[in-house]
Amino acid sequence: NAGVTQTPKFRILKIGQSMTLQCTQDMNHNYMYWYRQDPGMGLKLIYYSVGAGITDKGEVPNGYNVSRSTTEDFPLRLELAAPSQTSVYFCASTIGEGTFNQPQHFGDGTRLSIL
Amino acid sequence: AQSVTQLGSHVSVSEGALVLLRCNYSSSVPPYLFWYVQYPNQGLQLLLKYTTGATLVKGINGFEAEFKKSETSFHLTKPSAHMSDAAEYFCAATGGSYIPTFGRGTSLIVHP
Repeated sequence: NAGVTQTPKFRILKIGQSMTLQCTQDMNHNYMYWYRQDPGMGLKLIYYSVGAGITDKGEVPNGYNVSRSTTEDFPLRLELAAPSQTSVYFCASTIGEGTFNQPQHFGDGTRLSIL
Repeated sequence: AQSVTQLGSHVSVSEGALVLLRCNYSSSVPPYLFWYVQYPNQGLQLLLKYTTGATLVKGINGFEAEFKKSETSFHLTKPSAHMSDAAEYFCAATGGSYIPTFGRGTSLIVHP
């Protein structure tokens, strides 16, 4: 079972460049999420999606954009990369049906450095 | 609104010693509670979860956690630490939505 797959695993960008972090899941989950993880700060929610065509902002959306054209894919785009966006990015998904006791499934992350 | 607090950003134990990682929550609705583990260069994996019913929850790798409503706590324990338990541990809560609130994480260090 592939679960949640993120690509690339590592990337170095120059300031001002743009890039798209890819995320796909094969569990037919409704909800998908993007987080960033900085040392000692836990996980910060960037954007989430409740289904194809529906996205919403999380806690730290500035500088990022998302789209959800299919159930499986939830790409995160960085426009005009800035050093403050150096972080580890995680994509996650959950079924999003019934009670709220369903855990999230995480990808292995994309480690992004902006120099 | 809900919040999750993990006491101690780092916990250090000797191999074979008891592991205790603390998590307290506040929630305006009955919460569902989770513990996740993150090994180096990996994503988070579910250790265990509390939904309803039995307040002592057993998870993978010998970990367990007890839900104490009166103390608003969900501490994670393991009787005997192993070197392979060294990782980052996150407590999380949901209540009323599919957007969980995460604690800041506790790094478990295991000394030989």
